Amino acid sequence: DIQMTQSPSSLSASVGDRVTITCRASQGISHYLAWYQQKPGKAPKSLIYAASSLQSGVPAKFSGSGSGTDFTLTISNLQTEDFATYYCQQYNSYPLTFGQGTRLEIK
Amino acid sequence: EVLLLESGGGLVQPGGSLRLSCAASGFTFTTYAMSWVRQAPGKGLEWVSGITGSGYTTYYADSVKGRFTISRDNSNNTLYLQMNSLRAEDTALYYCAKTQGEAHFDSWGQGTLVTVSS
Repeated sequence: DIQMTQSPSSLSASVGDRVTITCRASQGISHYLAWYQQKPGKAPKSLIYAASSLQSGVPAKFSGSGSGTDFTLTISNLQTEDFATYYCQQYNSYPLTFGQGTRLEIK
Repeated sequence: EVLLLESGGGLVQPGGSLRLSCAASGFTFTTYAMSWVRQAPGKGLEWVSGITGSGYTTYYADSVKGRFTISRDNSNNTLYLQMNSLRAEDTALYYCAKTQGEAHFDSWGQGTLVTVSS
């Protein structure tokens, strides 16, 4: 199975900041990586697929990059609605696997 | 608008069974693969199972293989998850997810809670 490791596990930032979350795969997954946002008590929401393609309706303040084993999610100009938990997910091969999540908190 | 509405969760004893359903609308159901993803209380996301649009091919996480069965009724736009031999560690909120392309999830339901406890 492909293991997905996110760092950091938690992150404190201020409104207006730019933050980057990293996701590393235990083996190469090409560009088959997605990012999701989850707010407390809500279902996850798709942000990015194919490592860098923005899901329809997602603002351009979210961006993704990477290929192979190392990937990043960058969120610019943080607003209060962006404080949530973020997950990466590989879909290069079954079983599909998620990272453990990164909790983004307000400083 | 894509809508996914899960149902069928509840409290069940260890060793028991439950069948989850996910009613889909707002898209051509038969065109898309579908998946179940679960989240134990306070924990992260775990993919459980997936099925192709035709229903001919299914996939399972090792943790549920041999105990859970995914299926779909394309005439009624409904996804199912039959869960047998349930264990305490199956306790989770189970999400139905519309699956795009090679298997990422572009729409999610609100989830149905399964609690396995005596």
